Amino acid sequence: EVQLLESGGGSVQSGGSLRLSCAASGFTFSSYAMTWVRQAPGKGLEWVSAITSSGSSTYYAYSVEGRFTISRDNSKNTLYLQMISLRAEDTAIYYCAKIWMSYMDVWGKGATVTVSS
Amino acid sequence: DIQMTQSPSSLSASVGDRVTITCRASQSINTYLNWYQQKPGKAPNLLIYTASSLESGVPSRFSGSGSGTDFTLIISSLQPEDFATYYCQQSYATPYSFGQGTKLEIK
Repeated sequence: EVQLLESGGGSVQSGGSLRLSCAASGFTFSSYAMTWVRQAPGKGLEWVSAITSSGSSTYYAYSVEGRFTISRDNSKNTLYLQMISLRAEDTAIYYCAKIWMSYMDVWGKGATVTVSS
Repeated sequence: DIQMTQSPSSLSASVGDRVTITCRASQSINTYLNWYQQKPGKAPNLLIYTASSLESGVPSRFSGSGSGTDFTLIISSLQPEDFATYYCQQSYATPYSFGQGTKLEIK
């Protein structure tokens, strides 16, 4: 079964850091681009970041560029999102998703990040 | 950046109704348009990709159309399990962007 499982969420104070992980199973992880999407409480979906299958190219939303770093370890079938200088507006559920062709076809259940000021 | 605008933002409908949700891009995105369904407390679920292709396992009452800047999601006959929030998303260029969502509620 194709599955993505996020971990590493939690509560942190403004200015703090967190690293999210997304463990992939059931597919050849190293063959697919991956992405992070977040959803603030009661709000819509916001694309955060993406990374190519090899990890050679990364892309970010302007709202997180310079503060968040996406990476992957294909030997561990794991995607990461390192978040620093966190702000209250980063409070959200963070989903990882697999990209097939140009769309997000498999999603994890999400990890909750709460940033308190 | 490409802005995605959905309409309506919310919609009340009855079981059996035909429902249309529209999505407009701020510039041409060819057919790089995807639709997702999200139920409360759950992750989004892919319904339609590249504007009109139905994802495997999605009921045929869902259909999508459009190209360029204007796109449509149609649910031909609403079922109780279809009451959810629907999002369009462009994958033409980063930063990828979503519409603000359309909340479909029971009348």
